[in-house]
Amino acid sequence: RKEVEQDPGPFNVPEGATVAFNCTYSNSASQSFFWYRQDCRKEPKLLMSVYSSGNEDGRFTAQLNRASQYISLLIRDSKLSDSATYLCVVNRGGTSGTYKYIFGTGTRLKVLA
Amino acid sequence: GAVVSQHPSWVICKSGTSVKIECRSLDFQATTMFWYRQFPKQSLMLMATSNEGSKATYEQGVEKDKFLINHASLTLSTLTVTSAHPEDSSFYICSAPPGLGYEQYFGPGTRLTVT
Repeated sequence: RKEVEQDPGPFNVPEGATVAFNCTYSNSASQSFFWYRQDCRKEPKLLMSVYSSGNEDGRFTAQLNRASQYISLLIRDSKLSDSATYLCVVNRGGTSGTYKYIFGTGTRLKVLA
Repeated sequence: GAVVSQHPSWVICKSGTSVKIECRSLDFQATTMFWYRQFPKQSLMLMATSNEGSKATYEQGVEKDKFLINHASLTLSTLTVTSAHPEDSSFYICSAPPGLGYEQYFGPGTRLTVT
């Protein structure tokens, strides 16, 4: 079982739709959580950090459930420009030199006109 | 957000030669940087963790003698692909967090093609 798991998709949704991505992680000692977006042939870009209290940035809402070891990302009113791969990233924690970030395989989203 | 640069953005080299890729944090100091490799339609694969002032930590299956990492300063890490072969052709990306547990910022990546 992978340490961070995501549904690879693809998710094909019409413009204006609401879409939700889920991510589970297996290491209960994980300390910080992020969603990144990656466009084809580009580097990942930070979308948002994820907190237990939940956080929202415009059309994007992220939630963390530590008890269930589950992270979610909700995109409302999808735009064509939201088409990308969304990466769930978990920081495993540790000391300098030993901590690392674990990536999910990514969920592909395609927003259709 | 913080800025990480990477150079070169693309390189084509002949089989058997070595290629050096630089990763710089431009507006923050990074005691730790990460090197990833990504093949088409696959996720990022962590190759190694670059630590300023000490040896890099390599992931299982990554040859440390082939992929030489030097973290020369708090703002610069280099990855040298030695004796490159066509199977080393890939997208190499570095990242750096501004602190332990913080979000990481990625360089724009280096597309390496070995002919």
